[in-house]
Amino acid sequence: NAGVTQTPKFQVLKTGQSMTLQCAQDMNHEYMSWYRQDPGMGLRLIHYSVGAGITDQGEVPNGYNVSRSTTEDFPLRLLSAAPSQTSVYFCASSRDGVETDTQYFGPGTRLTVL
Amino acid sequence: SQKIEQNSEALNIQEGKTATLTCNYTNYSPAYLQWYRQDPGRGPVFLLLIRENEKEKRKERLKVTFDTTLKQSLFHITASQPADSATYLCALTDSGGYQKVTFGIGTKLQVIP
Repeated sequence: NAGVTQTPKFQVLKTGQSMTLQCAQDMNHEYMSWYRQDPGMGLRLIHYSVGAGITDQGEVPNGYNVSRSTTEDFPLRLLSAAPSQTSVYFCASSRDGVETDTQYFGPGTRLTVL
Repeated sequence: SQKIEQNSEALNIQEGKTATLTCNYTNYSPAYLQWYRQDPGRGPVFLLLIRENEKEKRKERLKVTFDTTLKQSLFHITASQPADSATYLCALTDSGGYQKVTFGIGTKLQVIP
């Protein structure tokens, strides 16, 4: 199993540009989520999904959209990038989303917005 | 609001010694506490989970304690090795699932040969 994969690994955008961060998992997990990690701050939840067709907002959802059309994929869209969105983004998945399940993280995407 | 405190300064320790990392929390009564390891440029990797009614959990050279009175968890690595060098994150949640998890900023551990 590849686990959780993310593409791209690095990305530089200009303010106002849009892009999609890709996330896929091959473990048949129902729960998937997106976090951002900034210096001096813990991982913060952006959006999450408890299954195909179901998404919800986390702690810091503004400026980001998600959709979940399949169990495997959970892309994160930045509609109009802002410098405040410069961060490292991690996708994660777990079997059912309960805290006793192990949560698996992808390798991350380092995004810089100029 | 709930707050997690981990020592943001790096912890340097000699190889073979026991490393002890601290996670303190306030304004919170978590049901579960997790510890993760994160290497530079990589995503966090789950290590251990401990429940509020458990005082201690062990896995190989790792030991976690959870004191709900002190609102503190200690994470121990015995017989530390240079390969243990990484940043260690603690994360707390009540029983609301992963969408309710709060992560600490992590403590960087450096094991010196």
